[in-house]
Amino acid sequence: EAGVAQSPRYKIIEKRQSVAFWCNPISGHATLYWYQQILGQGPKLLIQFQNNGVVDDSQLPKDRFSAERLKGVDSTLKIQPAKLEDSAVYLCASSSHGGNIYNEQFFGPGTRLTVL
Amino acid sequence: KNQVEQSPQSLIILEGKNCTLQCNYTVSPFSNLRWYKQDTGRGPVSLTIMTFSENTKSNGRYTATLDADTKQSSLHITASQLSDSASYICVVSNPGNTGKLIFGQGTTLQVKP
Repeated sequence: EAGVAQSPRYKIIEKRQSVAFWCNPISGHATLYWYQQILGQGPKLLIQFQNNGVVDDSQLPKDRFSAERLKGVDSTLKIQPAKLEDSAVYLCASSSHGGNIYNEQFFGPGTRLTVL
Repeated sequence: KNQVEQSPQSLIILEGKNCTLQCNYTVSPFSNLRWYKQDTGRGPVSLTIMTFSENTKSNGRYTATLDADTKQSSLHITASQLSDSASYICVVSNPGNTGKLIFGQGTTLQVKP
């Protein structure tokens, strides 16, 4: 079973520029998550999708961050314009819908963003 | 406020030694507690998952314990190896198929030869 794929793995941009990250979840997984992980901290949920609908985006800075999952499969996360404090690893995770009381999430390798 | 606190923040041990990582949580409602291992440059990988009724669960040299009364968990690593060098993250989940995960800040373990 292929894991969660993310690209790019690394990205360096200057502040005020825009950037986009892509995630392809495990096949058949209905739920997709985007997390932000700042160095030395645990991941923080940005947005959670169930199929192509948003379940939770309460911690997404909507003035500069946006995410979509148009066909309920892969997803993109965009930052525009980027700030220095956006420097972090952006993790994508997916989980299957129903039948699993643990709601186990499987994480991708992440995209490391550096904003200069 | 839902919180997960881990200690120590970092730890250095010699190869072959044992160690124990701690996790305290104030999450409600509670569904399950899991420990993740995160290697540098990789996403977290699940080590163990425990529900309210489970006191201990093992995965090879990793043994997790859960005391739901005191809301404490520990991860014990036996006979450490260099490959155990990583961050270990304690995560508590709310109930439901779309239950929210509350992450601790992690403990960084370095195993030296």
